[in-house]
Amino acid sequence: SAVISQKPSRDICQRGTSLTIQCQVDSQVTMMFWYRQQPGQSLTLIATANQGSEATYESGFVIDKFPISRPNLTFSTLTVSNMSPEDSSIYLCSVQTRASYNEQFFGPGTRLTVL
Amino acid sequence: QKEVEQNSGPLSVPEGAIASLNCTYSDRVSQSFFWYRQYSGKSPELIMSIYSNGDKEDGRFTAQLNKASQYVSLLIRDSQPSDSATYLCAPRNRDDKIIFGKGTRLHILP
Repeated sequence: SAVISQKPSRDICQRGTSLTIQCQVDSQVTMMFWYRQQPGQSLTLIATANQGSEATYESGFVIDKFPISRPNLTFSTLTVSNMSPEDSSIYLCSVQTRASYNEQFFGPGTRLTVL
Repeated sequence: QKEVEQNSGPLSVPEGAIASLNCTYSDRVSQSFFWYRQYSGKSPELIMSIYSNGDKEDGRFTAQLNKASQYVSLLIRDSQPSDSATYLCAPRNRDDKIIFGKGTRLHILP
């Protein structure tokens, strides 16, 4: 499977600010996704990051709040904008590779706390 | 009806016994099914995938799939304390998205 890194691993932010999370993969991937896992909950898909074009967002998530970039096959960023305490969560990058075909693997996650 | 249903647990199993984790899903079109293990404070780790009806074995893990019943399970033989974690059932739905259940917390008793 691919080696996935995320930065930062955790952060504490003030209400109203924005945070950009980076996801880097050590090999070319076919698909990249961003998930959120709120405390005690399962994973919720935020969006699919598309290379060179706008991300595809799931119901309940919008570009203004969660802008996503994917400039190449191995890198993506997720920004959490105008944060509120409700955005406190773990944000996870996930990828599919050509070798893995149908399987998805997760990065280590970014733990965000908004005060 | 929830897309993926799992008993939240905790499921307590003595060390050395078989742990049985169950999952039902609502999308009849689903063809791919995954089990992830998540330790507290860590990200999910893929441990099994299954695509055909029947059993698939990998070491101490066996995944079982019954598409007619929309049921998938994970058996862990010779349970170890290191198996204590939350196990997430994750079918791929008709939109080609992997959807996660809330997970079953498994506790292996030494």
